[in-house]
Amino acid sequence: DAKTTQPPSMDCAEGRAANLPCNHSTISGNEYVYWYRQIHSQGPQYIIHGLKNNETNEMASLIITEDRKSSTLILPHATLRDTAVYYCIVRVGLGGANSKLTFGKGITLSVRP
Amino acid sequence: SAVISQKPSRDICQRGTSLTIQCQVDSQVTMMFWYRQQPGQSLTLIATANQGSEATYESGFVIDKFPISRPNLTFSTLTVSNMSPEDSSIYLCSVSSGGTDTQYFGPGTRLTVL
Repeated sequence: DAKTTQPPSMDCAEGRAANLPCNHSTISGNEYVYWYRQIHSQGPQYIIHGLKNNETNEMASLIITEDRKSSTLILPHATLRDTAVYYCIVRVGLGGANSKLTFGKGITLSVRP
Repeated sequence: SAVISQKPSRDICQRGTSLTIQCQVDSQVTMMFWYRQQPGQSLTLIATANQGSEATYESGFVIDKFPISRPNLTFSTLTVSNMSPEDSSIYLCSVSSGGTDTQYFGPGTRLTVL
């Protein structure tokens, strides 16, 4: 069973911030939150991950609630090229065989001109 | 992050035949994985490719249908055997290695079985 719940789709205007929600109410203390995206059947692209602190990199910001039961991926200035399926995944961060990822259906983000 | 290539990028095959997909990484990695993405679906893990030993298969996938090799730390192959139209999918390899253990994906192989 998927450990995360995401809305099936959302859209935003180009240049605006895109806030993608994810619920992971059963997350364990040693599980990380990972975000990937897949643009038109290309291989999934890693975006960002976090454990409990908010994280930011050149692509996005990840905001994790204090109870860790939900998170939000923020694309600060969405462009048309950000149109993709975004996957929120929780995963034990111990490496080895635990590295495998379980993908849900993701959320389809459509950025409109 | 590692640069991952897959060959072929796409192929059209006849039912009953087999196809071997190659995954090459530009640096040594600890873990290599194979995923399948059926049309309109999300990714499903087929197996973990283990260097020097038999692959570890997920429920619903068997070695006879999807034999996997991993002769070294930079290369792996996945064979789709005795293909049927239901095997038409995108097949993706991914790798992870030490540190943060983040997993990175190859570009995928789009397989169509007629």
